[in-house]
Amino acid sequence: TQLLEQSPQFLSIQEGENLTVYCNSSSVFSSLQWYRQEPGEGPVLLVTVVTGGEVKKLKRLTFQFGDARKDSSLHITAAQTGDTGLYLCAGSSGAQKLVFGQGTRLTINP
Amino acid sequence: KAGVTQTPRYLIKTRGQQVTLSCSPISGHRSVSWYQQTPGQGLQFLFEYFSETQRNKGNFPGRFSGRQFSNSRSEMNVSTLELGDSALYLCASSFSPGGENIQYFGAGTRLSVL
Repeated sequence: TQLLEQSPQFLSIQEGENLTVYCNSSSVFSSLQWYRQEPGEGPVLLVTVVTGGEVKKLKRLTFQFGDARKDSSLHITAAQTGDTGLYLCAGSSGAQKLVFGQGTRLTINP
Repeated sequence: KAGVTQTPRYLIKTRGQQVTLSCSPISGHRSVSWYQQTPGQGLQFLFEYFSETQRNKGNFPGRFSGRQFSNSRSEMNVSTLELGDSALYLCASSFSPGGENIQYFGAGTRLSVL
C-alpha cells in the first residue's frame, strides 16, 4: 500500500515568515500533486510535478519533487493571511488512484 | 464552464438509515471519483467510475456503493449508516481515469450521522 506522510500536520506562523511543508513516501510516484483546501470547499489543484528534481514556482510558492520521486516539498516565502488553508499532497502511479497525504493545516496570523 | 456540483451540501441522518449523494461532473468529463474526508483519516478514496463502470475501489465496506449514469453523473449510496460515517464526501471529475489526470473537486456533501 502506498502511503504519503505530510509534516507538519499543523503550522501556525506570523505573516511575512517563510515555511516549508514536506510530503514523504517510501514508494515511487510517477507524479505528485499539491492541493489547497479552504473551509467549506473542495481541494483545488495548485501544481503537478512529474520529473525527479523538478522545481515549479507559483508566485511565492515553490514546489520541488525529489530526485527519486518519493518525496516533495512546498515552500512559501513571505506568507500572507490568504495562504491559510489545508495543504494536501497526492501521489499518482500511472492509471492507479490518487493517494493523499493527511494534510498540513496552515494558519497565517496577521 | 460549470464546476463539479454536489448535492445536497449538508445532510443529517440517524444511525441505520441510508443516504444517497449526487455528483454532476464538469461537462465533458467522463471519470468521477469519490472520497471520504475526516479529520482523523484525511482524504480516503472510495471508488472511481468511468463510462458507467467502476474502475477502482478503495478499502471501504460493502455498505458504500456507487454508480454512474450515461450522462456521467454519479451517485454514491451508504446503507445502514454508522456514527463513524460522519464525514465530508467529496466528488472529483476528470476527463480520463487515473490519478495522473487533473481532478476537479466539488465542494462536498457534509454528512452528519446522529
